[in-house]
Amino acid sequence: GNSVTQMEGPVTLSEEAFLTINCTYTATGYPSLFWYVQYPGEGLQLLLKATKADDKGSNKGFEATYRKETTSFHLEKGSVQVSDSAVYFCALKDGNEKLTFGTGTRLTIIP
Amino acid sequence: EPEVTQTPSHQVTQMGQEVILRCVPISNHLYFYWYRQILGQKVEFLVSFYNNEISEKSEIFDDQFSVERPDGSNFTLKIRSTKLEDSAMYFCASSETSQTNEQFFGPGTRLTVL
Repeated sequence: GNSVTQMEGPVTLSEEAFLTINCTYTATGYPSLFWYVQYPGEGLQLLLKATKADDKGSNKGFEATYRKETTSFHLEKGSVQVSDSAVYFCALKDGNEKLTFGTGTRLTIIP
Repeated sequence: EPEVTQTPSHQVTQMGQEVILRCVPISNHLYFYWYRQILGQKVEFLVSFYNNEISEKSEIFDDQFSVERPDGSNFTLKIRSTKLEDSAMYFCASSETSQTNEQFFGPGTRLTVL
């Protein structure tokens, strides 16, 4: 079946540091890939997505590239801010309606 | 901006009791979902609902669970006889269609079964 494996947290970085959160997936078909973010007290929000191989999703300075050869969709940001502190979830959707999520990575940015 | 809302934010119940978790999806959305996250584990799909019937469900969604859209706005998840292992964060989500890919999530209800 489908599965998503993402980097264990928590991750703590200083402001302006470079961020990478690793995500790899297993899927039987050709899934769409997503990063969701959950800020404290709020629901999961779509951060970015990519629907086919080599697509790059980007939003709010975050980027992730759909790599079919390595079955990966790593999240990156060049310079993080305190306001980026949240839990980040990698997810896939493979033709049907449900999303398959990773465990989430808690990110804390310290000033 | 329209959003999915969920009530209550936290529910505490005794084992064996029935609970109903409530969600108000975004008004023009047609597909509705429930997910849950046991503490420290993955967010897991429970069920999807379209046109007043279940369109897909996971192995977790056994006979103890049911969903309903009792009126034009609410979408509920009922657990008939709660077990300790039902303690989790339950997320409701909705989407305009199943093909748009984006599901909009509510803030979650934390269910604690004692």
